[in-house]
Amino acid sequence: GENVEQHPSTLSVQEGDSAVIKCTYSDSASNYFPWYKQELGKRPQLIIDIRSNVGEKKDQRIAVTLNKTAKHFSLHITETQPEDSAVYFCAASIGSNYQLIWGAGTKLIIKP
Amino acid sequence: DVKVTQSSRYLVKRTGEKVFLECVQDMDHENMFWYRQDPGLGLRLIYFSYDVKMKEKGDIPEGYSVSREKKERFSLILESASTNQTSMYLCASSSSAGGHNEQFFGPGTRLTVL
Repeated sequence: GENVEQHPSTLSVQEGDSAVIKCTYSDSASNYFPWYKQELGKRPQLIIDIRSNVGEKKDQRIAVTLNKTAKHFSLHITETQPEDSAVYFCAASIGSNYQLIWGAGTKLIIKP
Repeated sequence: DVKVTQSSRYLVKRTGEKVFLECVQDMDHENMFWYRQDPGLGLRLIYFSYDVKMKEKGDIPEGYSVSREKKERFSLILESASTNQTSMYLCASSSSAGGHNEQFFGPGTRLTVL
């Protein structure tokens, strides 16, 4: 079946440095790629998404890049801060019925 | 502001019991989802509904059923709870307008089956 692979599973970076999380997907028909952040004990919340007709999208310190040919997309967080510590999930759309297939998650640790 | 609520934050049940988890959204969203979240496995879709009385199986529907009698309410039923159904259960909803849109999640129900 279709799947999304997410790497790394844990990422530890110094406060102020950049963090990059990568995902690859298998369904060539996928056209919507959201990223969710889940803080400890909280619900997942959308932080940024990208559709297949663009290659990059930015929102302040976060950006997402998409390479449809290689079927991979990445989340970039610059100038990391303690409040960026969380689990991040990538996802990709499958089929035409609004479903998403999810990566396994990346635990981002920001070291002071 | 979208609000998705779930009937319980924590639930403890015994093996073989019938368990009902309820989810309510207040934004008139067409789509509703039930996921289970386990460490290292991400979010796995159990069932999905795109309209009242409509449902589709997700990746792991075995042992579960769902009901959507009203647009705002989506129920997950464990017909006979088993210990391997101990997990965090998350409900989500999204709009169909214009294609794929943000999924809004409820706070989750942590179910323990003894």
